[in-house]
Amino acid sequence: DAGVTQSPTHLIKTRGQQVTLRCSPKSGHDTVSWYQQALGQGPQFIFQYYEEEERQRGNFPDRFSGHQFPNYSSELNVNALLLGDSALYLCASSLVGTGNGELFFGEGSRLTVL
Amino acid sequence: DAKTTQPNSMESNEEEPVHLPCNHSTISGTDYIHWYRQLPSQGPEYVIHGLTSNVNNRMASLAIAEDRKSSTLILHRATLRDAAVYYCILRENTGNQFYFGTGTSLTVIP
Repeated sequence: DAGVTQSPTHLIKTRGQQVTLRCSPKSGHDTVSWYQQALGQGPQFIFQYYEEEERQRGNFPDRFSGHQFPNYSSELNVNALLLGDSALYLCASSLVGTGNGELFFGEGSRLTVL
Repeated sequence: DAKTTQPNSMESNEEEPVHLPCNHSTISGTDYIHWYRQLPSQGPEYVIHGLTSNVNNRMASLAIAEDRKSSTLILHRATLRDAAVYYCILRENTGNQFYFGTGTSLTVIP
C-alpha cells in the first residue's frame, strides 16, 4: 500500500517563473492538504482540497493555487516565484469522516528559487 | 489561529523516559491536541492525539492537564530513532487545518 507520493523531490527555479508540484494521496484517502515549510520552521497550512474543490485556505496569496483531480491526486501551482517561496512543500492526505483527522505526509518537494 | 508553546530543544539519554511539554492556554473546548514528529529529511508523522483524557498507544503516551491548557508527550524509553522535531498542534473541530509551531527538537544521547 503506497503512502503519499510527491514529485518532483527537488527543483530549482528563478524569480518570476511558475512551478507545479504534484501529489498522490495514500490509497483510500480523499482529502489533500498542502503545507509550506521554510528552513527551521514548522509547516504552514496553504490549502486543502476535497471533492475537487478548495475547502479551506491559509494565509497565502493568490499566487498559490491548486487543483484536485477525480482520482484524488492534487497539484500545487505557484506563479511569479519570489525568493521567499524557497521551501519544502509538503502534501498530506486524509480521509473525511475519520474520527481523528490523522494526516499522512509525503516526503515533500524541495523548491529553491534563485 | 490556535497557538501552542513548546521548548525549542530538549535532550535525553537513550533508554530513559522523555517528557515533552506543550502549553496551549487558548485552547477551546472542542480543540483536539495532536502530536506529530518529523525525522530528518522526512515529512511529519502522526504520534498521538487526545481531547480530554490521557491516551496511550504503541509509540507514546499523552497526558492532558485537567484544565486542558497544557499537555505532555511521554516517550517511555527513548531510542536513537526518536531523535526528531516534535510538534504539538491544536486541531479545530470545525476545520481540518493543523497549525504547527516551531516544535521541540529532541536529541537522544547514546
